[in-house]
Amino acid sequence: DQQVKQNSPSLSVQEGRISILNCDYTNSMFDYFLWYKKYPAEGPTFLISISSIKDKNEDGRFTVFLNKSAKHLSLHIVPSQPGDSAVYFCAARGSSGSARQLTFGSGTQLTVLP
Amino acid sequence: GAGVSQSPSNKVTEKGKDVELRCDPISGHTALYWYRQSLGQGLEFLIYFQGNSAPDKSGLPSDRFSAERTGGSVSTLTIQRTQQEDSAVYLCASSFPRGGGYEQYFGPGTRLTVT
Repeated sequence: DQQVKQNSPSLSVQEGRISILNCDYTNSMFDYFLWYKKYPAEGPTFLISISSIKDKNEDGRFTVFLNKSAKHLSLHIVPSQPGDSAVYFCAARGSSGSARQLTFGSGTQLTVLP
Repeated sequence: GAGVSQSPSNKVTEKGKDVELRCDPISGHTALYWYRQSLGQGLEFLIYFQGNSAPDKSGLPSDRFSAERTGGSVSTLTIQRTQQEDSAVYLCASSFPRGGGYEQYFGPGTRLTVT
């Protein structure tokens, strides 16, 4: 039972264009969402996050949008750069109790073509 | 050493042997997590330590897996009688949950190969 889904295993984008990575979730108790980037042979690194009380959070070239009614979030990268090529994981956090661990999606491999 | 460190970086073991994986979290981080990533899969939660509270072991796949955290710092994940399906990258993360910030900081992982 995948509570966090990234339905696109891969995405290719031309340098300078916008990259849009999507993520869907099923658990309405999730209250905090994060995006991580992972290069080969390295651990995931935190990229950007959003609380469920917001619908948008922006940090430089990265913007995360949250649509609670649709249980959908997306990460926009604009303009995309070759160094952005990595696997991007969407993650969600439960709001209470022992649900402190993050639930991760299966990741989307982004390739930015020069 | 400001980041999370893990050792060894790679481990090859024979089926049936026991292995120990080590994690050194960021100093001062009270929460520590273990995840694993199998080939082509996302990150799978294994176990969570928070301060002196009893660990959340709900993600451990079998009783062959155990973990401890000594002195609220270093953690060891032990896999007994390893099986080929245990082959994966084992990732450790730590965090200092406060003020709404729940970012977890990951180590580079230990790649375990069971032959």
